[in-house]
Amino acid sequence: QVQLQESGPGLVKPSQTLSLTCTVSGASITSGSSHWTWIRQPAGKGLEWIGHVYTSGRAYASGTTNYNPSLKSRVTISVDTSKNQFSLTLNSVTAADTAVYYCARGGISWTGGYWYFDLWGRGTLVTVSS
Amino acid sequence: DIQMTQSPPSLSASVGDRVTISCRASQSISRFLNWYQHKPGKAPNLLIYAASSLQSGVPSRFSGSGSGTDFTLIISSLQPEDFATYYCQQSYDTPYTFGQGTELEIK
Repeated sequence: QVQLQESGPGLVKPSQTLSLTCTVSGASITSGSSHWTWIRQPAGKGLEWIGHVYTSGRAYASGTTNYNPSLKSRVTISVDTSKNQFSLTLNSVTAADTAVYYCARGGISWTGGYWYFDLWGRGTLVTVSS
Repeated sequence: DIQMTQSPPSLSASVGDRVTISCRASQSISRFLNWYQHKPGKAPNLLIYAASSLQSGVPSRFSGSGSGTDFTLIISSLQPEDFATYYCQQSYDTPYTFGQGTELEIK
């Protein structure tokens, strides 16, 4: 059974860098075509897609990233295949970045090319405060 | 960005009821629409993808329909474990966006 687990500091100071890791267990992070994704949810608000890193069995395509334009200047998502993990870094954080952060796997349907998030971690709360 | 609008924001219902949740996109998204169930403290769970395809392992009382801009999630007969928050999400174009959620409560 494939599982995702977020880890990282629960408290980050304003202007500093938020760093989170998602560990994938039960399957190789490079098997199949996947969007390894970060999503967040501030308290009382909706879900916000942060971005993803793409992996597949084809090395030339793996590592491609796509970010939400609202965060693009501050965010990096990367994958470490040796550890079966992917990571999020968010620079210059403010109180507005306080949220529950989820990692998820974006999978694609066999027909039609429909992407969806078929596996999620339970989420980790990150608070930005001095 | 494509805006997703869900209605109603909250809903009270009883076990055995038929429940309908709506989701509207700000532009046509074909059938690139997914539905998730989320319970507090747990990982969100994919219910429906591509507007009407039931994810493996999801009970058949859940169904989805629609295309273009208007979509519907139906729970045919509510069970106690179905009380949760439900989100729609478009995967037509990045940035992927979610509806604000519908909180389904016990009446």
